[in-house]
Amino acid sequence: KAGVTQTPRYLIKTRGQQVTLSCSPISGHRSVSWYQQTPGQGLQFLFEYFSETQRNKGNFPGRFSGRQFSNSRSEMNVSTLELGDSALYLCASRLLDRDNEQFFGPGTRLTVL
Amino acid sequence: SQQGEEDPQALSIQEGENATMNCSYKTSINNLQWYRQNSGRGLVHLILIRSNEREKHSGRLRVTLDTSKKSSSLLITASRAADTASYFCAPLIYYGGSQGNLIFGKGTKLSVKP
Repeated sequence: KAGVTQTPRYLIKTRGQQVTLSCSPISGHRSVSWYQQTPGQGLQFLFEYFSETQRNKGNFPGRFSGRQFSNSRSEMNVSTLELGDSALYLCASRLLDRDNEQFFGPGTRLTVL
Repeated sequence: SQQGEEDPQALSIQEGENATMNCSYKTSINNLQWYRQNSGRGLVHLILIRSNEREKHSGRLRVTLDTSKKSSSLLITASRAADTASYFCAPLIYYGGSQGNLIFGKGTKLSVKP
């Protein structure tokens, strides 16, 4: 099975712009979660989608949003970018079983100038 | 606040030595998972231990769980340079019904010198 894929891998934007990141989960995985990783805050949970519905959301401002399509692919959007949004954005997919093991993609490195 | 908090933040050892990383968490959990991340890459699942288990082995990895102390440890035996990575513990916290979230800490950065 192909792993979780994320596009693009690298992105450079300027303050005030918006950005859309894409994630394709492992085939058969219907849950997709997004995380932001920075040196200072570590790995922080953004949100999780399942069957096109947001199941849970972390403590991030409304500038961060996401959606999931019927094929389980997910996108996250960040509007009005700030310098502090520079981070590695990781997507993870999983089966909805009791173990909740996450399979991570390689991440998108976003740099905001 | 972070649920899974690893200690130490950084660890440097020689090849062949054992590496021990500790993790503490704050609430009841269903299971606790350990992940590895090579520099700037995605995380890879290493091992899972359920709340009713006390110890688990997988190859050179040994994980222990003490639910009374809300702590876990990961031991890597006979370390290799290829083990150089950041290691994260992630307790599975349930937030309602059977739905849960993994809450990651900031990780332990392990450096294994050849």
